[in-house]
Amino acid sequence: SAVISQKPSRDICQRGTSLTIQCQVDSQVTMMFWYRQQPGQSLTLIATANQGSEATYESGFVIDKFPISRPNLTFSTLTVSNMSPEDSSIYLCSAMGLGGTSTDTQYFGPGTRLTVL
Amino acid sequence: SQQGEEDPQALSIQEGENATMNCSYKTSINNLQWYRQNSGRGLVHLILIRSNEREKHSGRLRVTLDTSKKSSSLLITASRAADTASYFCATGEKLVFGKGTKLTVNP
Repeated sequence: SAVISQKPSRDICQRGTSLTIQCQVDSQVTMMFWYRQQPGQSLTLIATANQGSEATYESGFVIDKFPISRPNLTFSTLTVSNMSPEDSSIYLCSAMGLGGTSTDTQYFGPGTRLTVL
Repeated sequence: SQQGEEDPQALSIQEGENATMNCSYKTSINNLQWYRQNSGRGLVHLILIRSNEREKHSGRLRVTLDTSKKSSSLLITASRAADTASYFCATGEKLVFGKGTKLTVNP
């Protein structure tokens, strides 16, 4: 299985600031995704991080608020911009297609717990 | 949407007992995945079952899939306190998650 790390593991931020979360996979993967888990809720997909091109966002999420980069096949960042307390959540990245295969299994990172004051 | 919905929302059992969680979804799928999450941490992948499979085992875990009923079940046998977690099913490439079942295994 892929090993996925995220940095930071947690942060407490002030309203109006931005935070960039990094996701690193230990091997090349086909697809990477970013999810949000609000307190007491399930996971919701924010976007698909596309290598070398703009991310594909799900309904309700926009690039200005959640800019995403994916410069290569093992790394992606998610920025939470102009934060408000409503952005307090766990943000998780995931990856599938380990080693460039078409495997459907999707592995998750440990998550970044964000608290906005 | 290919939404998974778990049932029950919460389950409390004694160590050694079996735990069964169910998942229903709405549309045709290629596969269904089960995950575990401990105390708001990252998700651990448990099992992927494909649409042409009816049952799959992994250690103490047994997953069934009934595509005619659009449902799946996860059975944990001989439960342990360490199995205490939330369990989610998810379908699709862009995973759509249900609300999960919160399992508590009492020692």
